[in-house]
Amino acid sequence: AQSVTQLDSHVSVSEGTPVLLRCNYSSSYSPSLFWYVQHPNKGLQLLLKYTSAATLVKGINGFEAEFKKSETSFHLTKPSAHMSDAAEYFCVVSDLSGNTPLVFGKGTRLSVIA
Amino acid sequence: DTEVTQTPKHLVMGMTNKKSLKCEQHMGHRAMYWYKQKAKKPPELMFVYSYEKLSINESVPSRFSPECPNSSLLNLHLHALQPEDSALYLCASSRGGLAGGYNEQFFGPGTRLTVL
Repeated sequence: AQSVTQLDSHVSVSEGTPVLLRCNYSSSYSPSLFWYVQHPNKGLQLLLKYTSAATLVKGINGFEAEFKKSETSFHLTKPSAHMSDAAEYFCVVSDLSGNTPLVFGKGTRLSVIA
Repeated sequence: DTEVTQTPKHLVMGMTNKKSLKCEQHMGHRAMYWYKQKAKKPPELMFVYSYEKLSINESVPSRFSPECPNSSLLNLHLHALQPEDSALYLCASSRGGLAGGYNEQFFGPGTRLTVL
């Protein structure tokens, strides 16, 4: 079985300061891990994915995430927040073979203050 | 082209109406999905089509009827819906099969459905 826990339901940062969105996962299989972003009234956009290659994964818009197997974590970071980063972020787990549906975390709402 | 398109963007319907949601992708993906998303919640999987065959139905009420006419199109037929069915309905696609299965799904912008 697989599950995802997003440790914060809401994170608020000032523009230009670092962003950290935390995600822990549980998986019976070798996991694939994803971060998706959803802006208000929009669909989900893939930010980045981990599929057993490099543990530090770079995504779009300056985001990156590090897969830490010992900590079962896949936290999302960005060095400097921009107003346009304000959105809902979902951490998602699947198994490496892709044979199980995606399991979504409950989401973290990121607010960016000017 | 890495886009999934959905029509209509918005839909308002009464409980006795019949309507359809449409989804299209031209990425050559062989797996397509319908999700339902309520406000401030993650998407919930409804249906999965793999190679144009229904492979997962997550115990969705029969008032929702999916259809996959070909590998690029996915429809969701709606009939006798309830007000609690109001939500954002998202379509997604992925490569499918042994080449990646359910992973790396691309989502459409969604249809905002309101049932009166």
